[in-house]
Amino acid sequence: DAGITQSPRHKVTETGTPVTLRCHQTENHRYMYWYRQDPGHGLRLIHYSYGVKDTDKGEVSDGYSVSRSKTEDFLLTLESATSSQTSVYFCAIWTGTNTEAFFGQGTRLTV
Amino acid sequence: GESVGLHLPTLSVQEGDNSIINCAYSNSASDYFIWYKQESGKGPQFIIDIRSNMDKRQGQRVTVLLNKTVKHLSLQIAATQPGDSAVYFCAENFGNEKLTFGTGTRLTIIP
Repeated sequence: DAGITQSPRHKVTETGTPVTLRCHQTENHRYMYWYRQDPGHGLRLIHYSYGVKDTDKGEVSDGYSVSRSKTEDFLLTLESATSSQTSVYFCAIWTGTNTEAFFGQGTRLTV
Repeated sequence: GESVGLHLPTLSVQEGDNSIINCAYSNSASDYFIWYKQESGKGPQFIIDIRSNMDKRQGQRVTVLLNKTVKHLSLQIAATQPGDSAVYFCAENFGNEKLTFGTGTRLTIIP
C-alpha cells in the first residue's frame, strides 16, 4: 500500500458532530490528497497539500477543512457532519506529474 | 468545467476474451494519463500510465491507447481472468498538482 495508512477505517457519527480522519505516509512525498468516492461520481478531490502548512481546495471542499503540520500526516476534518458527507474517503500521495499516485485503503464514514 | 468521462458504466466479458474500456477526456492540455483498478473494499491501484507524447503503451496483459485527436483513452486487457473483475478509472493530469478522475467502469468477468 505504498506506506499510506488511513484511520479510522470505519466511522459512524451523528449529524452535527465534528469528525477527523487521518492519513499517514512513510514515503516523505510532498503531495497529499483527500478524495471522496460516491456512486456515479467517481473520485472527487476535497483538499490537497503541496507541503507542510500548504493546502488548497479541491472541487468539493465545502464543509471540510484540512491540516498538515508534518510531512507525514494530513488530517481531514468535517466541521459539522451532515448526511451528505456519508461517503468513502481516500487519501493519496503523489510525487508529481508523470508519476503515479498511491492510494490508501479508504475510510467508510456514515453520518 | 473540464472532466474525464467513461462511455460505459458496466462491461461484462467472457473469461479468456479481451476487454476494452474506454475513456473520453475534455482537456486538450492534459499530458499524462493513468488507469487505475479498484477492487471491492480497496483503494485504487495503478495499472498503467501514458504520456501525451505517446500513442500506445503496453504492460503485462494490458495496453493503453491514446488518441489525442479525439481526446480518447482506452485500456485493453488481454485474456481476461476472474481477478480482473473490478472498477476501472482513468485519470488525467494537465501539468498541475491534481489528478482528475472519471466516474469508473465496472468490469465483470463471466466464467
